[in-house]
Amino acid sequence: GEDVEQSLFLSVREGDSSVINCTYTDSSSTYLYWYKQEPGAGLQLLTYIFSNMDMKQDQRLTVLLNKKDKHLSLRIADTQTGDSAIYFCAERGGSYIPTFGRGTSLIVHP
Amino acid sequence: DAMVIQNPRYQVTQFGKPVTLSCSQTLNHNVMYWYQQKSSQAPKLLFHYYDKDFNNEADTPDNFQSRRPNTSFCFLDIRSPGLGDAAMYLCATSGVPNTEAFFGQGTRLTVV
Repeated sequence: GEDVEQSLFLSVREGDSSVINCTYTDSSSTYLYWYKQEPGAGLQLLTYIFSNMDMKQDQRLTVLLNKKDKHLSLRIADTQTGDSAIYFCAERGGSYIPTFGRGTSLIVHP
Repeated sequence: DAMVIQNPRYQVTQFGKPVTLSCSQTLNHNVMYWYQQKSSQAPKLLFHYYDKDFNNEADTPDNFQSRRPNTSFCFLDIRSPGLGDAAMYLCATSGVPNTEAFFGQGTRLTVV
């Protein structure tokens, strides 16, 4: 299986919360990241969490980390149409090379 | 201001004709990465530089080469592009080990 796994699609209604999930296999992961990619653009770092934390909040974004289950989630509160994009989970362990998931396409509809 | 800049944003090349993609950074980061991203797939690391040390991924085709003449610039050379090399190419940098990677806007390569 892949080192970082994400579901491929998520559809939500504008104003609702979105929760994007990610699982990873590397137990030595020290940093976990969420990136956003809009069509035709590069990856924009949204937020990251260090492995000794279990939650991080940044405005509308909440990251939850369950290190025991190797599960990471990104919650976007009050989702807007501008949040429509592909969201990549990435982890970095003992190596400094980030490993990415395949990305979750978030579709926000009125 | 953009900190990792890739040129061009869009590149069309002919089958078998060498092409070079460029990346520059204003962050003075010591690590620079090149990723290949195909539709609906995760970015795939091709190689990276840690300062002047070049690190090639085991499954990166020989057709792909890279140069880093100084801290700020890194180039991706594709010696003989095939149709399967059409993709988005992403450059990224990071400061020291265990810090986040910053990405450029990418170069969309089309092979005709």
